[in-house]
Amino acid sequence: QQQVKQSPQSLIVQKGGISIINCAYENTAFDYFPWYQQFPGKGPALLIAIRPDVSEKKEGRFTISFNKSAKQFSLHIMDSQPGDSATYFCAASKNSGYSTLTFGKGTMLLVSP
Amino acid sequence: DTEVTQTPKHLVMGMTNKKSLKCEQHMGHRAMYWYKQKAKKPPELMFVYSYEKLSINESVPSRFSPECPNSSLLNLHLHALQPEDSALYLCASSLLGTAGTEAFFGQGTRLTVV
Repeated sequence: QQQVKQSPQSLIVQKGGISIINCAYENTAFDYFPWYQQFPGKGPALLIAIRPDVSEKKEGRFTISFNKSAKQFSLHIMDSQPGDSATYFCAASKNSGYSTLTFGKGTMLLVSP
Repeated sequence: DTEVTQTPKHLVMGMTNKKSLKCEQHMGHRAMYWYKQKAKKPPELMFVYSYEKLSINESVPSRFSPECPNSSLLNLHLHALQPEDSALYLCASSLLGTAGTEAFFGQGTRLTVV
């Protein structure tokens, strides 16, 4: 059972465009939703995260939109740059005291120059 | 220092070998994690340590044996692995007690079993 569903699997965006990646979850016990960026050969790095009591969070060019009733959240990358080309994972975590993460399957983003 | 350091970066081992992966952090985090990541797949949780004690074992085969000798170090001992165990092994750490704290990942150890 896939607890966090992520789409699309891959995405090509022109430089300066908006990249949008969507995730949906099923477990209502999840209460923390981070997005991780991973470059080839590197470990995942936290980009931005949100809690269910907030509908939107913005950090620089990255914005998370969160819809609690629909159990969906999305990442928007504004003014996408070639350096943003990476794999992006959404994730979810329960309030267990740990930061155990259930990841989506990932989206490979390519920003063309 | 917001770094999780993993050694070695690459490891090739035979199916009869015994090897260990090492992870170190100096952020004062009392939760440490091992994840396994296959190519083009998301990381999957293997083990969680809190206060140097094993808290979660996600039904990982016994050929993987974790160890947390102190609050800064986490090891993963490997023995009699199979070729399908080849993967990127990621260590992570975080604060404890507050949900939704950032998990910091290391660069991983790329393991190849031959």
